[in-house]
Amino acid sequence: AQTVTQSQPEMSVQEAETVTLSCTYDTSESDYYLFWYKQPPSRQMILVIRQEAYKQQNATENRFSVNFQKAAKSFSLKISDSQLGDAAMYFCAYRRAHGSSNTGKLIFGQGTTLQVKP
Amino acid sequence: NAGVTQTPKFQVLKTGQSMTLQCAQDMNHEYMSWYRQDPGMGLRLIHYSVGAGITDQGEVPNGYNVSRSTTEDFPLRLLSAAPSQTSVYFCASSQGRGSPYEQYFGPGTRLTVT
Repeated sequence: AQTVTQSQPEMSVQEAETVTLSCTYDTSESDYYLFWYKQPPSRQMILVIRQEAYKQQNATENRFSVNFQKAAKSFSLKISDSQLGDAAMYFCAYRRAHGSSNTGKLIFGQGTTLQVKP
Repeated sequence: NAGVTQTPKFQVLKTGQSMTLQCAQDMNHEYMSWYRQDPGMGLRLIHYSVGAGITDQGEVPNGYNVSRSTTEDFPLRLLSAAPSQTSVYFCASSQGRGSPYEQYFGPGTRLTVT
């Protein structure tokens, strides 16, 4: 069974600085998708960035980028020029790509709470 | 588009009571699912549906029922509420199962069972 682990329950960063959130996963699949979701205090789940496992190039979305290390099964999120609005809980998630038993479910890590200090 | 809507936003139940959490989407998505979020455990899949009339169990289905009579609606029923079902519930939808398409989440329902 696939698992996702976020080993940092809490992180903090100074406004305008850079922070990296860690995520590791375990799977025997070769094709899958990885996501980072942001959950602010409003509870709304917001997609930050996605990575397709067959793509070697790391995904970027403005100030957000990932370091995808497929062999190491690592998928970290880097937030550059941190802003107060980045304060939230961040979830790493895995989704299978194929297979008749594919439920399409997202498998989530435990979450990392990011505090941004002014 | 309203996206994914959920009602109610908050609910308090007594042990043994039943209720239905409503979920609707207006994006014509085939795939819909229910998750529960508990502290330190991320989100876990309760039930999912790959189209009208087709539902299946996820990781933590006990104590919950679902049905999908239309593409738009996917209600979650708590049969006999228990304190262990105190949680935040999210409904989500996406275009397909085996795709990188984004899952769109509703705003969540915070349920407390006393």
